[in-house]
Amino acid sequence: AQKITQTQPGMFVQEKEAVTLDCTYDTSDPSYGLFWYKQPSSGEMIFLIYQGSYDQQNATEGRYSLNFQKARKSANLVISASQLGDSAMYFCAMREDNNNDMRFGAGTRLTVKP
Amino acid sequence: EPEVTQTPSHQVTQMGQEVILRCVPISNHLYFYWYRQILGQKVEFLVSFYNNEISEKSEIFDDQFSVERPDGSNFTLKIRSTKLEDSAMYFCASSASGLYNEQFFGPGTRLTVL
Repeated sequence: AQKITQTQPGMFVQEKEAVTLDCTYDTSDPSYGLFWYKQPSSGEMIFLIYQGSYDQQNATEGRYSLNFQKARKSANLVISASQLGDSAMYFCAMREDNNNDMRFGAGTRLTVKP
Repeated sequence: EPEVTQTPSHQVTQMGQEVILRCVPISNHLYFYWYRQILGQKVEFLVSFYNNEISEKSEIFDDQFSVERPDGSNFTLKIRSTKLEDSAMYFCASSASGLYNEQFFGPGTRLTVL
C-alpha cells in the first residue's frame, strides 16, 4: 500500500527566503507520479508541480522546484523567494501507475512572515 | 482558462437524507475523481471514474456512495443516507489522462450533516 508522509505539520519562513517542505513516500511500484498541491485558506486545491518516477531531472515551475531523491523516496518541495501569498497548506501526493487514485499526505501549514 | 466547477458550494442536510453533489469537469478530460476532506484533515480519495465506470474506489466509498455521469458534462456524487461523519468538504477533480497528468480540482462543496 502506498503511503505519503509529511513530517512537518507547520513551518515558518521569512519573506524572500527559501523554504523546503518535506515529503517521503512508500511504494513498490516502479512507475509513479508525485504531485504537490497548495490549499490556501479559501479552501481550493491548486496544482503546483509534478515529478514522474522516471524523470531524470528535478521538476521546476517558476519559484517551485521539487528535490526528487528516488533512492531515499523523498520528493521535497522547495519554494524560493517566499511571498506572503505563499502562506497556505501544502499537500504532497502520489499516484502509482497501477492505480487511478491519488493519495495525499497530512499536509504542512506554511506561514510566511513579513 | 477551463476549470472544474461544483455546485452547490455549501449543502446542509439532515442525517439520513440523500444528497447529490454536482460537478462539471473540464470538457476534454477523460478521468474524473471525488475526494473528501474532513475539516482540518488531509484530502482522502473516494473514487475515480473512467469510460463510464468506476476504475478505483477507496474503503471510504461504501454502498452509501454512488457516482454517475448522467450526460456529457455532469459528474455527480450521491450519498444515499447521510451520517454525521459525512460532514466534510467534497472535491471533484478531473484529468486529461491517467498517471502523467495533474488533476484539476474544483472549488469544493462543503457538506454539513445535522
